[in-house]
Amino acid sequence: GQNIDQPTEMTATEGAIVQINCTYQTSGFNGLFWYQQHAGEAPTFLSYNVLDGLEEKGRFSSFLSRSKGYSYLLLKELQMKDSASYLCAGDKLSFGAGTTVTVRA
Amino acid sequence: DGGITQSPKYLFRKEGQNVTLSCEQNLNHDAMYWYRQDPGQGLRLIYYSQIVNDFQKGDIAEGYSVSREKKESFPLTVTSAQKNPTAFYLCASSTQTGIGEKLFFGSGTQLSVL
Repeated sequence: GQNIDQPTEMTATEGAIVQINCTYQTSGFNGLFWYQQHAGEAPTFLSYNVLDGLEEKGRFSSFLSRSKGYSYLLLKELQMKDSASYLCAGDKLSFGAGTTVTVRA
Repeated sequence: DGGITQSPKYLFRKEGQNVTLSCEQNLNHDAMYWYRQDPGQGLRLIYYSQIVNDFQKGDIAEGYSVSREKKESFPLTVTSAQKNPTAFYLCASSTQTGIGEKLFFGSGTQLSVL
């Protein structure tokens, strides 16, 4: 595993922006995934970064810095349906504990 | 619709009992995985299979067993040797086990001990 760390919880207001940080051990790095998981449901794929930089997909963007062992997921124009847990993951063995994002009206 | 199906959604186990969790996929994926999810912890890999009739242990295989007799199916048995089985179990699949292969997850089975 890659010892992936991310914050436990974050709260933001509808329409705002939230940034979820993720740090990992750089040894054996093969790319970083972000998944979204609503309570009691299946995680779903959001993004995969293997090169440095920002990748944008609509309201969600993901950033990677390989030299710093750092990634973030940026959620813009937050909607109530974005309330979920966001999992940072390395290879198949390495998942963070997830960050629970709560969006308030 | 293609997807991955887990059943049952809720399962209760008595002391000393073995229980089997079902996982079926119609995505024609070669690789399948079982994860355990506990509150406040990341997903932990129990077993994975890259091809029919072959499977590998993950980080926490003790107390669990699997089979892969068909490409579509990867059932997980939680044996009586697993002393702390209460958790949310997720099955996943991917086209292969290579780098960058995203996972497709089932909706999970919540296992509780009576």
